[in-house]
Amino acid sequence: EDKVVQSPLSLVVHEGDTVTLNCSYEVTNFRSLLWYKQEKKAPTFLFMLTSSGIEKKSGRLSSILDKKELFSILNITATQTGDSAVYLCAVGPNFGNEKLTFGTGTRLTIIP
Amino acid sequence: GAGVSQSPRYKVAKRGQDVALRCDPISGHVSLFWYQQALGQGPEFLTYFQNEAQLDKSGLPSDRFFAERPEGSVSTLKIQRTQQEDSAVYLCASSFTGRRGGEQYFGPGTRLTVT
Repeated sequence: EDKVVQSPLSLVVHEGDTVTLNCSYEVTNFRSLLWYKQEKKAPTFLFMLTSSGIEKKSGRLSSILDKKELFSILNITATQTGDSAVYLCAVGPNFGNEKLTFGTGTRLTIIP
Repeated sequence: GAGVSQSPRYKVAKRGQDVALRCDPISGHVSLFWYQQALGQGPEFLTYFQNEAQLDKSGLPSDRFFAERPEGSVSTLKIQRTQQEDSAVYLCASSFTGRRGGEQYFGPGTRLTVT
């Protein structure tokens, strides 16, 4: 059975700090790993990492994929209160299509 | 449309009632997915359509759950004889099948409470 484990489960930091969120996985047919940000409603897409794209960056957010060690990290630098959310990691078999297997998420709280 | 929409946003049902949840995917998106998200958990896969074909329904928890997408656009998830354990947020996602991208875009969800 496919498995995705995220750590820590929750994290509280002060505004301006840098955080690192972890995601490890065990899947039988890996093709892609995706990061989503979930505030009170719809998960919003952040990054997709595949064999051909193991590092992504957008503004203060960046992510890397280690296919050998089967994990990914999501880094957020200079955190802001708007970064407070649950961050979900998911793995999928076909570049984001077909079913995604999610972790339980990391709840990040930024204190002003 | 601008994004995936779902209705209703909230639904309260008495145990034993049938419910129907609607999803309008992003226009032109071929693939449509349903997920169930319990409180404090990540979304769990229920079923997947490519156009009108239901290609994977392995995540449906029982035969009380039924999904359809008859014209390859709007989809309905139906739950018959609801039970308290069905209480959750039901998320719909769509994606464009192609060589580029393919990430899934989620709707706001329907929060179902069974009393």
